[in-house]
Amino acid sequence: DAGVTQSPTHLIKTRGQQVTLRCSPKSGHDTVSWYQQALGQGPQFIFQYYEEEERQRGNFPDRFSGHQFPNYSSELNVNALLLGDSALYLCASSFRKQGWGTDTQYFGPGTRLTVL
Amino acid sequence: AQSVTQPDIHITVSEGASLELRCNYSYGATPYLFWYVQSPGQGLQLLLKYFSGDTLVQGIKGFEAEFKRSQSSFNLRKPSVHWSDAAEYFCAVVRMDSSYKLIFGSGTRLLVRP
Repeated sequence: DAGVTQSPTHLIKTRGQQVTLRCSPKSGHDTVSWYQQALGQGPQFIFQYYEEEERQRGNFPDRFSGHQFPNYSSELNVNALLLGDSALYLCASSFRKQGWGTDTQYFGPGTRLTVL
Repeated sequence: AQSVTQPDIHITVSEGASLELRCNYSYGATPYLFWYVQSPGQGLQLLLKYFSGDTLVQGIKGFEAEFKRSQSSFNLRKPSVHWSDAAEYFCAVVRMDSSYKLIFGSGTRLLVRP
């Protein structure tokens, strides 16, 4: 049973560039959430996708956008990169159709983004 | 606004000793509670979760946690620590409403002395 997978593993970009990160959810899961984890901190919620729509959003600017595809995989896009965007970006998947109480999120290994 | 506090940034224990990692949450009602572990360069692995019922929850790798409503706490424990338990531990909460987002504490780094 494949878990949550993310690509690429590492990425180096320069300020002002744009980046796309990818996530494939755990088999049977229909919901994808994205988190940003800065060095030495806990993960911060960016947004969540369910049924190909953004359902919730954390305190992140519009430079952060996403997409969910019919096969439930997801992309995170960040435009106009800033030095402060350097972080580990984590994707988590869950099965929302089970309803509340069982919507446990399972995390992928993350993508390490470095902005120079 | 709800929050999660992990008051210990670092904890060092000897191998074989017992462990308790503290977690306090701020929320008006009982949230759903989780403990995750993160090894260096890795994603987060779920250790255990509490939704309702028995306040003592058993997880993987010999960990357990106890929910105490009166103290708004959800502390993680292990009776005998192994060197492989060295990692970063995160407590997280989810509100029992339409919000599905996990809110994490800042983490506690566990070091294990041989």
